[in-house]
Amino acid sequence: DTTVKQNPRYKLARVGKPVNLICSQTMNHDTMYWYQKKPNQAPKLLLFYYDKILNREADTFEKFQSSRPNNSFCSLYIGSAGLEYSAMYLCASSPDRGGGNTLYFGEGSRLIVV
Amino acid sequence: QQKVQQSPESLIVPEGGMASLNCTSSDRNVDYFWWYRQHSGKSPKMLMSIFSNGEKEEGRFTVHLNKASLHTSLHIRDSQPSDSALYLCAARPGGYKVVFGSGTRLLVSP
Repeated sequence: DTTVKQNPRYKLARVGKPVNLICSQTMNHDTMYWYQKKPNQAPKLLLFYYDKILNREADTFEKFQSSRPNNSFCSLYIGSAGLEYSAMYLCASSPDRGGGNTLYFGEGSRLIVV
Repeated sequence: QQKVQQSPESLIVPEGGMASLNCTSSDRNVDYFWWYRQHSGKSPKMLMSIFSNGEKEEGRFTVHLNKASLHTSLHIRDSQPSDSALYLCAARPGGYKVVFGSGTRLLVSP
């Protein structure tokens, strides 16, 4: 089973309020990713974990936080949502097999900030 | 972020025709490419991967890679309406980082 689950699937948030998105996988994958996808744009890599090591992209470093309390779960946290955060957030996981790390995506969490 | 450029943005091919999609990276560190397919309302799923120069074929799908120019292309022969989707090119610029292009939207007309 190559299932990655994301919760919530839809989230409506007020400007200035926090948002927490959850991702889980039961495939014992070492790497988990978060991407932000806006219409007609490339999925933008926000951060990824390899095991417990967090790697955040330089241009989104201060905007997003994350935690990975165990191998199966990974969260994406926005401390104070702005209108520009409205997007689809895609979580993916990948096995560490020495190369060709195919990503397995969840169905996404659609965030609308008003 | 590293750039992955895809062309064309959209493509319409007749059923049974050949679809050709292109992808180029501007990062010389890229050593691996994937093609993902995303049907409407669904999550992206890996279609093919390539890291060696040359060509790889799986059924109706063929992927080419020119490592010198960091260009990959995906060709779909005998296109079917079910192939209509967003095709995303992904590249690995080292380690575990994976970056995507904005995609080519393919429509196969019956």
